[in-house]
Amino acid sequence: NAGVMQNPRHLVRRRGQEARLRCSPMKGHSHVYWYRQLPEEGLKFMVYLQKENIIDESGMPKERFSAEFPKEGPSILRIQQVVRGDSAAYFCASSPPEGGNTIYFGEGSWLTVV
Amino acid sequence: GQQLNQSPQSMFIQEGEDVSMNCTSSSIFNTWLWYKQDPGEGPVLLIALYKAGELTSNGRLTAQFGTTRKDSFLNISASIPSDVGIYFCAGQPYDFGNEKLTFGTGTRLTIIP
Repeated sequence: NAGVMQNPRHLVRRRGQEARLRCSPMKGHSHVYWYRQLPEEGLKFMVYLQKENIIDESGMPKERFSAEFPKEGPSILRIQQVVRGDSAAYFCASSPPEGGNTIYFGEGSWLTVV
Repeated sequence: GQQLNQSPQSMFIQEGEDVSMNCTSSSIFNTWLWYKQDPGEGPVLLIALYKAGELTSNGRLTAQFGTTRKDSFLNISASIPSDVGIYFCAGQPYDFGNEKLTFGTGTRLTIIP
């Protein structure tokens, strides 16, 4: 998972605040994915983005969550008005522009809502 | 949605023992991937499988893509302490252009001293 950079690694937010998580894909990768992992569970797909496009957001909660991958800069996962149930590890992954099947993960951002 | 059943959920073994775990799916996958996750870290790719029936090794790890495209197996030979962690299988659907992964629930490997 070397090369996919996520920040912050740990984030604490009070209920009702906004959380913003950033992801820079591996060099040369233009496909970005966000996954969420609750304690003691596997990773669940949230959203798949290419530059300036959301390709598949079938795993995103319908409210409060949004994601973008602008032409310049990192991908951002934004959670508005956080609730305790949003506490989880959020992982970003990337893959190269030709597609292919190998997806590399970052080290994750751990969100704690207090 | 697609479901991946991974078993066993946990394993307690002694150092030097061999380990086997598997994943089964309710639908066909185009690719199977096996990841290992250490506490506080992201998943690290161990082995990728692209063709039905394929058998691939990475050091002491061997994984197979089932012929029905609905299952995969991971074996670890002669386990060592650094093998401790959670192992996840993940599958990509037979859906060109969308590489999103469905993950299994994980197998937690513990080595008893």
